[in-house]
Amino acid sequence: EAGVAQSPRYKIIEKRQSVAFWCNPISGHATLYWYQQILGQGPKLLIQFQNNGVVDDSQLPKDRFSAERLKGVDSTLKIQPAKLEDSAVYLCASSLGQGLQPQHFGDGTRLSIL
Amino acid sequence: EDQVTQSPEALRLQEGESSSLNCSYTVSGLRGLFWYRQDPGKGPEFLFTLYSAGEEKEKERLKATLTKKESFLHITAPKPEDSATYLCAVRGQGGKLIFGQGTELSVKP
Repeated sequence: EAGVAQSPRYKIIEKRQSVAFWCNPISGHATLYWYQQILGQGPKLLIQFQNNGVVDDSQLPKDRFSAERLKGVDSTLKIQPAKLEDSAVYLCASSLGQGLQPQHFGDGTRLSIL
Repeated sequence: EDQVTQSPEALRLQEGESSSLNCSYTVSGLRGLFWYRQDPGKGPEFLFTLYSAGEEKEKERLKATLTKKESFLHITAPKPEDSATYLCAVRGQGGKLIFGQGTELSVKP
């Protein structure tokens, strides 16, 4: 079974520029999550989708971050404009449903803001 | 507010030296406690789910236990390949997965 795919693996941009990340979840997984992991910390949930609907985006900085999951499969996360404090690893995860099924993570995109 | 605290932040062991990692939590209505392993440059890899106090799960040299306030990840006779950061996370009634900051384990041959 193929895992969660993310691209790009690394991205370096200057502050105030925009950036986008892509995620392809495990086939058949209805629930998709985006997390932000700052160095030395655990992942923090940004947004959760159930199929193509948003379940929880309470911790997404909506003035600069946006995410979509068209057709309930792939998802993109965008930051515009980027700030220095956005430097982090952005992880995508998926699970079969919203219950207690474990979440399976991709290897993330490491974003550096100059 | 749901909260997870892991200790120690870092642990250095000699190969074969058994030890335990701690995960203390406060959560409204625990629905599940999860352990993950994270290697450098990789995403977290699922290890265990524990649902209720008294439950135990085992996988190779790892054993996870759960009480009403904390969980332990016991590592028996660790090998260098067990070196990684171990993350604990809880899911409460709010539905969101809350992670601790992790314990960085280093096992020297």
